[in-house]
Amino acid sequence: NAGVTQTPKFQVLKTGQSMTLQCAQDMNHNSMYWYRQDPGMGLRLIYYSASEGTTDKGEVPNGYNVSRLNKREFSLRLESAAPSQTSVYFCASRRQGWAEAFFGQGTRLTVV
Amino acid sequence: TQLLEQSPQFLSIQEGENLTVYCNSSSVFSSLQWYRQEPGEGPVLLVTVVTGGEVKKLKRLTFQFGDARKDSSLHITAAQPGDTGLYLCAGVVGNQFYFGTGTSLTVIP
Repeated sequence: NAGVTQTPKFQVLKTGQSMTLQCAQDMNHNSMYWYRQDPGMGLRLIYYSASEGTTDKGEVPNGYNVSRLNKREFSLRLESAAPSQTSVYFCASRRQGWAEAFFGQGTRLTVV
Repeated sequence: TQLLEQSPQFLSIQEGENLTVYCNSSSVFSSLQWYRQEPGEGPVLLVTVVTGGEVKKLKRLTFQFGDARKDSSLHITAAQPGDTGLYLCAGVVGNQFYFGTGTSLTVIP
């Protein structure tokens, strides 16, 4: 049972570089989410996708873009990484009408 | 904007002690969830409370949703080292989850 799979698990970027974080779920969930987790801040929503073909901004969308490629996959792109984007990023998914969110194992990103 | 505040932020207790973690907000939520997160892992759902005043028990853990559906508490009885982790509350509004700031619990054997 794979659940929610994120790649890569770790990444170091130089300031100004770009990269895409990948997320895939095999539970046929409609909604998918990207969060960042920083010490003392809990989880903050970057973007979410309520269904295939739709995306919406969350609390902290600046500096990020997303793509809901299909029902399974939801990617997060950093076009020009900044040190303030150093964080642990989590992808989550949820079945429509169901409260529980399922999370991936996270991507630890360091921007130097 | 952080909608949910948790207290305390850090808690270190001896095995066998009781503890309560609080999750407070000025916003009303359709439901509220508690998650537990271990190092290097994503959060895992413990419970969802839906009705104002609702109390749910999960073995030694007791969860309560405030009457006005704005706050919640998690009480652990006779804490064990296996309870160590980061506890997160999350308020649900439509399709969005708003997470609290987290409480890092350490239970010392």
